[in-house]
Amino acid sequence: AQSVTQLDSQVPVFEEAPVELRCNYSSSVSVYLFWYVQYPNQGLQLLLKYLSGSTLVKGINGFEAEFNKSQTSFHLRKPSVHISDTAEYFCAVTPLRGYQKVTFGTGTKLQVIP
Amino acid sequence: DSGVTQTPKHLITATGQRVTLRCSPRSGDLSVYWYQQSLDQGLQFLIQYYNGEERAKGNILERFSAQQFPDLHSELNLSSLELGDSALYFCASSVADYRGTPNTGELFFGEGSRLTVL
Repeated sequence: AQSVTQLDSQVPVFEEAPVELRCNYSSSVSVYLFWYVQYPNQGLQLLLKYLSGSTLVKGINGFEAEFNKSQTSFHLRKPSVHISDTAEYFCAVTPLRGYQKVTFGTGTKLQVIP
Repeated sequence: DSGVTQTPKHLITATGQRVTLRCSPRSGDLSVYWYQQSLDQGLQFLIQYYNGEERAKGNILERFSAQQFPDLHSELNLSSLELGDSALYFCASSVADYRGTPNTGELFFGEGSRLTVL
């Protein structure tokens, strides 16, 4: 079984400041890792994903995340946020094999302050 | 546009009633997932279907049921509705390989069906 922990339920940050949203996971098997974003009144959409290879993954809208196997983390970062980045961000994992479901974290609401 | 279509977008009904939510996956996607999102429970996985067969079950109540039809669209049936069932219900689809695991793990979400039970 897999589990995902997003410790911060809300993160306020000033516009143009950097931000890091934390994600830790637990799994007994190898997993794929994802970050999804949900803008108000919309469905979730993929921000970035780690499947294999380079541990630094770049996504849309200037976001990037770094996979750290030893710390079982997949933190999301952006060097300078914009008002339009205000949204809820979900970390997710899925095992490489099997019929198992995609497991989501509880989400982090990013509030960008003008 | 993710290519996943959900209907209806909004639904208001009374306690004790039954509703059906419909999902059309992206063209070519064989796997369909249902999720419930509420303020107190967050995003909860309900059930997954692959090419018409149930593949994984999550926190789905016995009052809820789902199926995936031969044309790959899926329906989520919610019966004996309670106030606590008020939530946003998302459908997602993925390519999935023959074992049901998503090809790259990416899910494509619809915009959701907002259910309000009064």
